[in-house]
Amino acid sequence: AQKVTQAQTEISVVEKEDVTLDCVYETRDTTYYLFWYKQPPSGELVFLIRRNSFDEQNEISGRYSWNFQKSTSSFNFTITASQVVDSAVYFCALDRGSTLGRLYFGRGTQLTVWP
Amino acid sequence: GAVVSQHPSRVICKSGTSVKIECRSLDFQATTMFWYRQFPKQSLMLMATSNEGSKATYEQGVEKDKFLINHASLTLSTLTVTSAHPEDSSFYICSARKTGGNGYTFGSGTRLTVV
Repeated sequence: AQKVTQAQTEISVVEKEDVTLDCVYETRDTTYYLFWYKQPPSGELVFLIRRNSFDEQNEISGRYSWNFQKSTSSFNFTITASQVVDSAVYFCALDRGSTLGRLYFGRGTQLTVWP
Repeated sequence: GAVVSQHPSRVICKSGTSVKIECRSLDFQATTMFWYRQFPKQSLMLMATSNEGSKATYEQGVEKDKFLINHASLTLSTLTVTSAHPEDSSFYICSARKTGGNGYTFGSGTRLTVV
């Protein structure tokens, strides 16, 4: 069975703090894809990153960075020097290689950044 | 880019009526689109996979007679909630993948309220 766990339901930080959002996944597939999406209050889902199971390199994009560790089945997301505009719900999702497109989402983490 | 347009963004309907939601890929062709449902402060759950020119594939527990999906062209999929009831009130969001793209582009979502 596929499962994505985001244990942190809500996180509050003050602007300029660093914050890490945790994501743990379960799958028996050897080929799979992991995603992070941002959902602002308006509701749309904004794609942040896609990582395949064979690429464990960490990635940095501006203030965002991702740490993928297959040994612990985790794909954590860090925002450095957080800003008020980062306030949103962040979803981690899993896409099985055998059924591309059917995303399994975690429950999401509500991040609030205070000025 | 890969843009998915979803309409309407909000709809209020009376119990017993039907509502149609459109999902269009604006700058690419999508042979497959996906429909998700999100209850307040909950995760997104896949309802069905919409395949151009063929029947949709529904997830377990989703009533295919209630949630009618039509994917008549490579750029348009529609979800019709038939005989809507208050418990169908939810946020519905579609997604599509552009061939060669990195992730799945989501529409802006439709907030359905059945009164």
